[in-house]
Amino acid sequence: SQTIHQWPATLVQPVGSPLSLECTVEGTSNPNLYWYRQAAGRGLQLLFYSVGIGQISSEVPQNLSASRPQDRQFILSSKKLLLSDSGFYLCAWSGTLGQPQHFGDGTRLSIL
Amino acid sequence: GEDVEQSLFLSVREGDSSVINCTYTDSSSTYLYWYKQEPGAGLQLLTYIFSNMDMKQDQRLTVLLNKKDKHLSLRIADTQTGDSAIYFCAESESGGGADGLTFGKGTHLIIQP
Repeated sequence: SQTIHQWPATLVQPVGSPLSLECTVEGTSNPNLYWYRQAAGRGLQLLFYSVGIGQISSEVPQNLSASRPQDRQFILSSKKLLLSDSGFYLCAWSGTLGQPQHFGDGTRLSIL
Repeated sequence: GEDVEQSLFLSVREGDSSVINCTYTDSSSTYLYWYKQEPGAGLQLLTYIFSNMDMKQDQRLTVLLNKKDKHLSLRIADTQTGDSAIYFCAESESGGGADGLTFGKGTHLIIQP
C-alpha cells in the first residue's frame, strides 16, 4: 500500500533562517505531489504541485520554493524565513487523473 | 475563481446524526471530497463522490450531492466522540490531477455528551 511521510513534525526557526521540509511517498510511481499551507483560521492554500521530476508549478508567489529531485521526493524550501511563513504545512500525493489526494501528517512551523 | 463554503461549527449530541453542509461555485467540478482533520494531524480522506452521482453511502457516512444547487452534504449516523474533528469539503475539476483541490475553511464538529 502507499504511504506518505513528512518530516520534521514540528520546527521552530528564527526569522531569516533557511528552511527545508521533506516529503516522500512509498508504494507508487510517478505520483502528483503537492504542498499546502494551513494558516490560523484553518483554510488550506495550495502552494506548489509537481507532475514529475524537476517539474514544479507555483500557485502563489511567495518566499518559498519547491523542488522534486527524485520521483517520490518533494522538498519545500526557503532561503530566509519570514514571520508570515508560520503555519501547518501539508504534503499530499495523488495518482494520475481521477484519484483523490492523500495527505501526510504535516509539519508545524513556528517562526520566532 | 472557485469557492467552497462551509459553516464553521456544528454541535450535536452523541448518538444523533450530524449533517455537515458545503456549497461550491465551480460548475465544472468533477470530484467532490470530504476530509477529516483531528487536532494536530494531517487530513484523512473520508469519502468522495463523482459529479455524476447523487448519493454515496459508506458505513455510517452518507454523501448527498445536489449538482443543480451545487450543494454537498456529509451525514454521520450515530455520532461518536471520536468523530470530533474538523471536516473539510473540497472540489476539483480533474480529480487527482495536477490542479490541486479547492478547500472550504472546514466545519468544526463538536460532540455533546
